[in-house]
Amino acid sequence: GQNIDQPTEMTATEGAIVQINCTYQTSGFNGLFWYQQHAGEAPTFLSYNVLDGLEEKGRFSSFLSRSKGYSYLLLKELQMKDSASYLCACRSNDYKLSFGAGTTVTVRA
Amino acid sequence: EAGVAQSPRYKIIEKRQSVAFWCNPISGHATLYWYQQILGQGPKLLIQFQNNGVVDDSQLPKDRFSAERLKGVDSTLKIQPAKLEDSAVYLCASSIPTGNTEAFFGQGTRLTVV
Repeated sequence: GQNIDQPTEMTATEGAIVQINCTYQTSGFNGLFWYQQHAGEAPTFLSYNVLDGLEEKGRFSSFLSRSKGYSYLLLKELQMKDSASYLCACRSNDYKLSFGAGTTVTVRA
Repeated sequence: EAGVAQSPRYKIIEKRQSVAFWCNPISGHATLYWYQQILGQGPKLLIQFQNNGVVDDSQLPKDRFSAERLKGVDSTLKIQPAKLEDSAVYLCASSIPTGNTEAFFGQGTRLTVV
């Protein structure tokens, strides 16, 4: 099975940086995904890591350590529109995709 | 390309009634997922198909929920009979089961059981 943990809520100021941590336990690891979900909308893909290290994509970066079962999503230069839920998801070798409970990020002016 | 299509968008039913949701995945996507998302929680995987075969349905309440994917394309998820705790958004997602390809989600069906 898969066990995915992430903080419930985080608050940050516009223009700041926020780091959302995710720890996971899974059998047959085959990738770690981050999705963004605005209230009332479907999740949208942000990033993918399968090898250790940092993947950077504009203001968003994601890091993976497979030996530690750990990932983080880094949001830089926060904007009001970044207020959303951020979902950590783990994929196994049979392409089963399991999600954590999500971290609600609130950006304040 | 067209995205994942789901219908209906909203559904209100009384408890003990039955309901069905429909999903049309992105063309060529062999993997299809159904998730249940209760307000304030992350998506919970109900069932995963690879073409028209079931890969995982370990969290599907099989006494009341059923799903099928005839011909490996469209899929339907049914609840019969519905309970109050089934009130949630039902999300369908699809992907190509290779490498770094992500799963794409439909807009979901918001079910309210009263």
